[in-house]
Amino acid sequence: DTAVSQTPKYLVTQMGNDKSIKCEQNLGHDTMYWYKQDSKKFLKIMFSYNNKELIINETVPNRFSPKSPDKAHLNLHINSLELGDSAVYFCASSHRQSFHNEQFFGPGTRLTVL
Amino acid sequence: TQLLEQSPQFLSIQEGENLTVYCNSSSVFSSLQWYRQEPGEGPVLLVTVVTGGEVKKLKRLTFQFGDARKDSSLHITAAQPGDTGLYLCAGGSDIIFGKGTRLHILP
Repeated sequence: DTAVSQTPKYLVTQMGNDKSIKCEQNLGHDTMYWYKQDSKKFLKIMFSYNNKELIINETVPNRFSPKSPDKAHLNLHINSLELGDSAVYFCASSHRQSFHNEQFFGPGTRLTVL
Repeated sequence: TQLLEQSPQFLSIQEGENLTVYCNSSSVFSSLQWYRQEPGEGPVLLVTVVTGGEVKKLKRLTFQFGDARKDSSLHITAAQPGDTGLYLCAGGSDIIFGKGTRLHILP
């Protein structure tokens, strides 16, 4: 019954590797997001995406790319991982028709780059 | 660029006390949301405030949106250990979050 789910919960990997985090939502929402939360708990949006439009936060390195196989899934691919990529990554979804962009978050993926 | 400043950053109080945390900006927002995040979990939406001056209550939590829609406050009455968490305000079409208030209620 989980509304927004992410896998894996924890990801430990070496610098330079390529990794993916998966996200699925069963809320019927049409917009999905990826956020990065740093060690100081600052939550920053990386991408927002619906089936027509990808909006990228200009500060996100192009090593990060979202891939959406369908409306219920938005995966995050990260190439050439760096130490500074260590953080908790949250997937979220909302209904685009909701004027207020209320977000429903997944449980997060804690990425540690060694 | 819209920014949301939250204060205080940290707050630790005894069970049963009252508290208020703040979310301020120099920009006008069409709405603001409040979320609570517990350790190891994602933020959970508590409320959305839309109209200037609006007050919304959620049990012991009272949320207010400033008349000019540039600020909001969250007041908790008779805090409980279960209120412990990171409280985040958010808003804007670019979906910006404040840095949060980390609240700890001591039993």
